[in-house]
Amino acid sequence: GAGVSQSPSNKVTEKGKDVELRCDPISGHTALYWYRQRLGQGLEFLIYFQGNSAPDKSGLPSDRFSAERTGESVSTLTIQRTQQEDSAVYLCASSFLRGAPNEKLFFGSGTQLSVL
Amino acid sequence: EDQVTQSPEALRLQEGESSSLNCSYTVSGLRGLFWYRQDPGKGPEFLFTLYSAGEEKEKERLKATLTKKESFLHITAPKPEDSATYLCAVQGNDMRFGAGTRLTVKP
Repeated sequence: GAGVSQSPSNKVTEKGKDVELRCDPISGHTALYWYRQRLGQGLEFLIYFQGNSAPDKSGLPSDRFSAERTGESVSTLTIQRTQQEDSAVYLCASSFLRGAPNEKLFFGSGTQLSVL
Repeated sequence: EDQVTQSPEALRLQEGESSSLNCSYTVSGLRGLFWYRQDPGKGPEFLFTLYSAGEEKEKERLKATLTKKESFLHITAPKPEDSATYLCAVQGNDMRFGAGTRLTVKP
């Protein structure tokens, strides 16, 4: 596809369960970002990947959150032992190169996570 | 710490009523200021990048300007289809987003 694809679009889970969110970036984009957006709020940075470099995990809110990316392709964000405060939209974005002079982030439509 | 503050949180305009959205920022080493548009249920969509004070960019009814401390998104004669949340982001050591301004344009 031409854009960033995220799945599932909606996920309802019970407190304490683990969830896995998937992001397919635009082909050729070396940078991939995960953001969290709570209702009515801005985007909260979680983690980014740039090529084969070590990811910047500085935004992950707790050790229940982890993310992986295989090369410059698919990324998964895993939340273990979900809590109600994890309910939010999780957005993935990709760009050609992090920090490039004209870097544009291309976003997916997000995964709406609801923890009951 | 880098910070981005957008105002107002929400703005309601009549069709044709021009106005401006504000993005105030503090960042160590600004590498770029970005404006995005976000429609309900969708991810943000890129609008503009500004790099230096005095720079301006235009697209249809939108014009973005930049000073050393803030950026404005001017909306001229808005239409209902301009209704969306407008997000500002600054790139310093990382990309930091503001909370957005939710714009509603009534016909």
